[in-house]
Formats: sequence, C-alpha cells, structure tokens
Amino acid sequence: DIQMTQSPPSLSASAGDRVTITCRASQGISNYVAWYQQKPGKVPNLLIYGASTLQSGVSSRFSGGGSGTDFTLTISSLQPEDVATYYCQNYVSAPRTFGQGTKVEI
Amino acid sequence: QVQLVQSGSELKKPGASVKVSCRASGYPFTTYAINWVRQAPGQGLEWMGWINTNTGTPTYAQGFTGRFVFFLDSSVSTAYLQISSLKAEDTAIYYCVRGGHHGDYLFAWGQGTLVTVSS
Repeated sequence: DIQMTQSPPSLSASAGDRVTITCRASQGISNYVAWYQQKPGKVPNLLIYGASTLQSGVSSRFSGGGSGTDFTLTISSLQPEDVATYYCQNYVSAPRTFGQGTKVEI
Repeated sequence: QVQLVQSGSELKKPGASVKVSCRASGYPFTTYAINWVRQAPGQGLEWMGWINTNTGTPTYAQGFTGRFVFFLDSSVSTAYLQISSLKAEDTAIYYCVRGGHHGDYLFAWGQGTLVTVSS
C-alpha cells in the first residue's frame, strides 16, 4: 500500500502569510494526488485534483504542485476562513490512502 | 446539482448491526463510483473502499473486510454501508463520496452519518 506522509502536522501563521503543506508518497504516483479542506465541524471539501488542478469554485489563493512522490499545497495569502485541517490523498490505486492531515491556525 | 444525502445518526449497542444509506441525485447514478470514508472522533480521514455503481462490485480497504459491506439499490440511486457486530471503536462519522469526472478523487461528499456504538 502507498503511504502518504504529510508535514507539518499543524502550523500557526498570520493572516496574509504564505503557507505551504507537503505530502510525500511512499512510491511514485505520477500526479494522482488530491487535496481536501475540512473546516471545524464540517464536511471535507475537494480543493485540488491531479496534483495542481483547482476544483471549480475554489479560491485562487490555493495552488498545488509536484509529481512523483513529493507534493505541495500552498495558500498564497492566509485568510481567517482558511482555518481548517488539510488532507492529501493518493488516488492512483486502491487503497486510496489519506495523509494524516495538517491543522492550520491563525 | 450533484447531491448525496445520507441517513440520520444512529445509536447502537455493541454487537448490533447498522445500515447507512446514501441517496444520489443530479447525475446518472451508474456513471461514477461511490466511496466510503470513516472519521473517528477527533481523528483524520480513512478511506474504507468503494463500489462500482455500474457492476455493483465492491472493493474494501484493509481493516474493512468481513464486517463491512457495500451494496446498491440502483433503482433508487442509493448506496448502502452495512456494518455488523458493531464495536465501540466503530463510533465515527461515515461519509459516502462520489468520484470525480477526471479520476478517482473524491468529488462530492454526503453530509456524513454519525454512528455511535455504546452500551
């Protein structure tokens, strides 16, 4: 099974900061990575698929990158409404494992 | 628009069974897979597996074989998760999630069903 290792587990930043979350796959998965945002008490929401394709309706503050084993999610200018836990997921094959999550606070 | 509507919260005793439903609307039901995701209290997301809505074939992740069953009633565009021999550690929110247009990422999420197992 492919393991997805996210870092950091949590971070605190100021509004307006640039924030980057990383996700490392235990083996190459091309660009089959998605990123999800889960606000406190809410249902997860798809942000990015194909490592870098922004889901329709998602703020352009969010961007994704990487290929192979190393991937990033970047928030260009952190806003209060971005407080959430962020998860990466591999979907190249079953099991479609998630990373452990990164809790982002302001 | 695409919607997945799940059944309501359940409180069950250890050893009992539970069935969670997930009714899809806004698209042809058999076109996209349905995934199931578990989130225990205060924990992260765990992919349980998926069901091919065209063939009805389920695939289970490790740790979700035996007591967990995915099945469909395509006549009412509904997917089901049944869990038998419930344990306290099954207490969690269970989400059904539709696959995406361009791959097997998790595109549209149900609202979640809280299953609480307690004596």
